[in-house]
Amino acid sequence: EAGVAQSPRYKIIEKRQSVAFWCNPISGHATLYWYQQILGQGPKLLIQFQNNGVVDDSQLPKDRFSAERLKGVDSTLKIQPAKLEDSAVYLCASSLNPGRTEAFFGQGTRLTVV
Amino acid sequence: QQQVKQSPQSLIVQKGGISIINCAYENTAFDYFPWYQQFPGKGPALLIAIRPDVSEKKEGRFTISFNKSAKQFSLHIMDSQPGDSATYFCAVQGGSEKLVFGKGTKLTVNP
Repeated sequence: EAGVAQSPRYKIIEKRQSVAFWCNPISGHATLYWYQQILGQGPKLLIQFQNNGVVDDSQLPKDRFSAERLKGVDSTLKIQPAKLEDSAVYLCASSLNPGRTEAFFGQGTRLTVV
Repeated sequence: QQQVKQSPQSLIVQKGGISIINCAYENTAFDYFPWYQQFPGKGPALLIAIRPDVSEKKEGRFTISFNKSAKQFSLHIMDSQPGDSATYFCAVQGGSEKLVFGKGTKLTVNP
């Protein structure tokens, strides 16, 4: 079974630039998550999709972050404009259903904003 | 507001020893308590999970102990091995609500 695919693995940008991350979840998984993991901390949920609808985006900084999930499969997370404090690993995860089921994580995209 | 508090932040044990990591939560609506293991450069991976209808769950060398009245749960790693060196995260979830992670414990097992 193929895992969650993310790209790119690494990205370095200057502050105020824009960046986009891509995620392909495990086939058949209805729930997709984007997490932000700052060095030394636990993952923080940014947005949760159920199919192509948003379930929770309460911690997404909507003035600069946006995400979409086209046709309930692939997803992109965008930051525009980036700030220094956005430097983190952005993790995508998917699960069969929301709640009480295993979430499978991708390897993440390490973003450095300089 | 931190929904789950994890301790210790870091832990060093000798090979063959027991590693214990603790988590505490406040919201009694949580009903799913997984532990995730993360190696450097990798995403977290589910290690073991428990629901509140049982007080203990064991899978190989890994055991979760759950105390519903105290709103605490812990991960015990028996016969710890150098290959267990990783960062461990507890998490909590209620229904279809978001999966919330603790801050993590970096475990180092010395040979």
